[in-house]
Parts: sequence; C-alpha cells; structure tokens
Amino acid sequence: KQEVTQIPAALSVPEGENLVLNCSFTDSAIYNLQWFRQDPGKGLTSLLLIQSSQREQTSGRLNASLDKSSGRSTLYIAASQPGDSATYLCAVRLGNQGGKLIFGQGTELSVKP
Amino acid sequence: KAGVTQTPRYLIKTRGQQVTLSCSPISGHRSVSWYQQTPGQGLQFLFEYFSETQRNKGNFPGRFSGRQFSNSRSEMNVSTLELGDSALYLCASSTRDVQETQYFGPGTRLLVL
Repeated sequence: KQEVTQIPAALSVPEGENLVLNCSFTDSAIYNLQWFRQDPGKGLTSLLLIQSSQREQTSGRLNASLDKSSGRSTLYIAASQPGDSATYLCAVRLGNQGGKLIFGQGTELSVKP
Repeated sequence: KAGVTQTPRYLIKTRGQQVTLSCSPISGHRSVSWYQQTPGQGLQFLFEYFSETQRNKGNFPGRFSGRQFSNSRSEMNVSTLELGDSALYLCASSTRDVQETQYFGPGTRLLVL
C-alpha cells in the first residue's frame, strides 16, 4: 500500500530564506508526483508536476526534484515571501489506478515579514 | 479557460439527511475525481469518473456515490449523513491522459449537525 509522508508538518521561517520541503513515498512504482499549495479553507493550486522519468521541474522560485529509487521528492522555495505562507501538499499518482492521487498530510509553511 | 467550479460552496445538514454536490470540470476535461478532506485524515480519494463510467473507487462506504453526465459534469451524493461526514469535498478534473496535471475546484464545505 502506497504511503506518502511529508516532513516537517509545520515550518516557520523569516522572509527571504531559502527552504526545502520533503516528501517521501513507500512504493517507487509511481507515474508522476505533483506538488500543490492550499490556502486556508480553499482548494488546491497545482505548483509543479514531475513525471516518473524526470528528475526535476522548475517554475519561478520553485524547484521540485524527484528520486524514484529512494522514494523522495523535495520542493525548494527560493527567497521566501509572506505570500508563500500556505500548506504545501505532495501527491503521487500510481500507474495502474487512473487519476487517483495519494496525498501526504502536508507541510504548513509560515513566512514571517 | 474557466477553472473547475463546485456548487454549493457551503452546506449545513443534519444527521440522517442526504446531500448532492456538483462539480463542473474545465472545458475539454473528461476525468473528474472527488476527494474528502478532514483535519484528521487529510485528503482521501473517493472516486473517479471518466466518460460517464466510474474508473476507480476509494475506501468509503456505499453511502457515498457519484455519477458523471455526458457533458462531463459530475455529482456526488452522500446518503444518511453522519457527523463524521463533515468535511471539505474537493473535485479535480484532468484530460484523459494520466500524465496530465489535475486541477482542483474551490471545494464544498459540508457541516453535518
């Protein structure tokens, strides 16, 4: 059974810091991995999608890496801003289960001005 | 393109009642998935529909059901509501291709009293 774990559960940093969020999964037979952002009481916003054949994806100040063999992904946020405060979720998609995503519990990020 | 829309945004029901939630996917998307989000369990997959057929189902009781119409709009129904059904219900849409990003709606907040 695929399990997804995110560490840390919560993180507080001063504005301007670079930070790394971690995601690990138990079954390496994933199709892809997606990082999302969720603001309080809102839906999910897709940040980055990494296919199983890729090592990393970048979008602006965000960079996500994937190491399938070790079951790990990281989301790197450069020069953090107060507007980055949100919960960040990673989710894996298995190849044989259509659109089903398995989510981690998320990392709640707070960036202090 | 308009995003994923969900109606209603908020609902208050009492135990024993039933509820129907609606989701309109992004134009051209044929896959719709539903998720339940609670503080204790996080995001859990309910089911996925593609071309009016249920393609995958999560581990929820039969009180939870869904359907998809020919225009790809989807509804989910919960019968005999329980207090534990209070949650944020999110739907996501994507194209047929499992390599593609899933886009989430803003969710329906259900409170069962």
